[in-house]
Amino acid sequence: EVQLVESGGGLVKPGGSLRLSCAASGFTFTSDTMNWVRQAPGKGLEWVSSISSTGYTYYADSVNGRLTISRDTAKNSLYLQMNSLRAEDTAVYYCAKNYGYLDYWGQGTLVTVSS
Amino acid sequence: EIVLTQSPGTLSLSPGERATLSCRASQTVSSSYLAWYQQKPGQAPRLLIYGASSRATGIPDRFSGSGSGTDFTLTISRLEPEDFAVYYCQQYGNSPWTFGQGTKVDIK
Repeated sequence: EVQLVESGGGLVKPGGSLRLSCAASGFTFTSDTMNWVRQAPGKGLEWVSSISSTGYTYYADSVNGRLTISRDTAKNSLYLQMNSLRAEDTAVYYCAKNYGYLDYWGQGTLVTVSS
Repeated sequence: EIVLTQSPGTLSLSPGERATLSCRASQTVSSSYLAWYQQKPGQAPRLLIYGASSRATGIPDRFSGSGSGTDFTLTISRLEPEDFAVYYCQQYGNSPWTFGQGTKVDIK
């Protein structure tokens, strides 16, 4: 059974940093593209970043230069390092697997950026 | 960036009725790389349809997708109580991947 479990969310001040994690199991982690998608409170879905099985990374313009995606194949884990956070980064952050259409999602972790 | 516009914003129907949801793209979606997701309150999205018309694993056959180019449709043939939710389309043929704003299907 595929499982994706996010952690690391919380309350952070504007300009602060946070690191999200996603623990993956039930599939061959090394073979899949992994992604972060976010959803602001009461809003729709926004793709944030992806990392391919070979380590290529992709970012939405809105986060490029502030957020960094990475993966640790030994730990079957995906990460999102979030720096210079802004109020508009407040959202539930989901990790999801697959390239293109996202076939499995975690339950999400809430990031709140507020003073 | 491809903008996806979903209509209607809200669809009020009764169980047993047919639901037809539209997703229109601002430019052609490459190779029909269009997916549909269902999201219930407090839950993560669930993949329903990929490649415009292929059902994901475990999705009932009352859900079907169609369309190509710039116009796509999700049809729920007979609404079950568990189908009342928000539905999103997503294109993954062009970078960046983008989502529509969602259509809420609620109980009439």
